[in-house]
Amino acid sequence: DVKVTQSSRYLVKRTGEKVFLECVQDMDHENMFWYRQDPGLGLRLIYFSYDVKMKEKGDIPEGYSVSREKKERFSLILESASTNQTSMYLCASSTNLAGSTDTQYFGPGTRLTVL
Amino acid sequence: KNEVEQSPQNLTAQEGEFITINCSYSVGISALHWLQQHPGGGIVSLFMLSSGKKKHGRLIATINIQEKHSSLHITASHPRDSAVYICAVSPNDYKLSFGAGTTVTVRA
Repeated sequence: DVKVTQSSRYLVKRTGEKVFLECVQDMDHENMFWYRQDPGLGLRLIYFSYDVKMKEKGDIPEGYSVSREKKERFSLILESASTNQTSMYLCASSTNLAGSTDTQYFGPGTRLTVL
Repeated sequence: KNEVEQSPQNLTAQEGEFITINCSYSVGISALHWLQQHPGGGIVSLFMLSSGKKKHGRLIATINIQEKHSSLHITASHPRDSAVYICAVSPNDYKLSFGAGTTVTVRA
């Protein structure tokens, strides 16, 4: 079974703090994704990575950065957390099938509260 | 306007009832996904389909590419089917566009 794990289920941080959310997958997937999920808005893509050290902005990258130094690990960084970044953050991974798309496998999510 | 629209937003059913959730999309796609999210839980992929119909247990997913429409049916619904069901489409690359989700509550 594909396993995608996230470093924390719940996190509380203060405004202005630097926040790291970590995601690890064990299926040697090329693609990894970071989403945030807010009521009524669904999932929105923040960043995705299609290879080590490669990244691409999603729909809402402002206020976030990412790091992918190893294939299995994709980190989301909030340089200076703000209250409007309070949300559920979900990581996902998928294989890289040329010319098609594959199922994305999701982690359990991190519920981040910024006070 | 969102590329993916789901209806209804919320649905309550009695145990045993037949449930249908609809998804319409406005872009060309290579595949459509149905996902399930239980309260407090992660997201699980139920189906990925690009044509026709797929069945898994009591769940059936259909897609009509010409009409840009898909439906997810739950037969003989059970309280454990209570979850958020999310439709997502792949517009020909590795990314997904998601609907806002349908919250299904099945009462015993």
